[in-house]
Amino acid sequence: RKEVEQDPGPFNVPEGATVAFNCTYSNSASQSFFWYRQDCRKEPKLLMSVYSSGNEDGRFTAQLNRASQYISLLIRDSKLSDSATYLCVVNSNSGYALNFGKGTSLLVTP
Amino acid sequence: ETGVTQSPTHLIKTRGQQVTLRCSSQSGHNTVSWYQQALGQGPQFIFQYYREEENGRGNFPPRFSGLQFPNYSSELNVNALELDDSALYLCASSPRLAQNEQFFGPGTRLTVL
Repeated sequence: RKEVEQDPGPFNVPEGATVAFNCTYSNSASQSFFWYRQDCRKEPKLLMSVYSSGNEDGRFTAQLNRASQYISLLIRDSKLSDSATYLCVVNSNSGYALNFGKGTSLLVTP
Repeated sequence: ETGVTQSPTHLIKTRGQQVTLRCSSQSGHNTVSWYQQALGQGPQFIFQYYREEENGRGNFPPRFSGLQFPNYSSELNVNALELDDSALYLCASSPRLAQNEQFFGPGTRLTVL
């Protein structure tokens, strides 16, 4: 079983739509959780950290459910510029490595 | 503040050759990690360096090796290149050991023919 699993998509949504991505992780001892965004042929960039209490940054909301080992990302009022691959990331057993999911592809259309 | 830089941006090699990729960490960051990202996959952890020592390693063979220098810059060396080594190689730095937020450079795209 992969350490981090995501639905690869693609998710095709119209501008203004709300879209949600989910991710599950296998290591119950993981302590740190992130969503990274990766544009085509570019490096991953940190979108937001995910906290147990949930957190929001503008149109983006991240949730963590430790009991179910499940992480989510909600994007409201999608913009064309949100089109990218969204990577779910969990720290490893050792703490120093990041385990990435394969990514979920989002395409926002006019 | 200078971000993470990597060189070269692109590289083409043939099977059996050796390659060295370079990374300069973000100002103030003393920990460097290397990742391999194959097409359509998420990045996979290769190893991490802290204070010029390898601090941890992923599931990669010994022909993948690295160095960190006193100025915290780093090199990734790959010997006996194989076709499957074709990938985007990403360097990430963080401000201290076990700092989980890592900041990535633009990557080096390696093609092995």
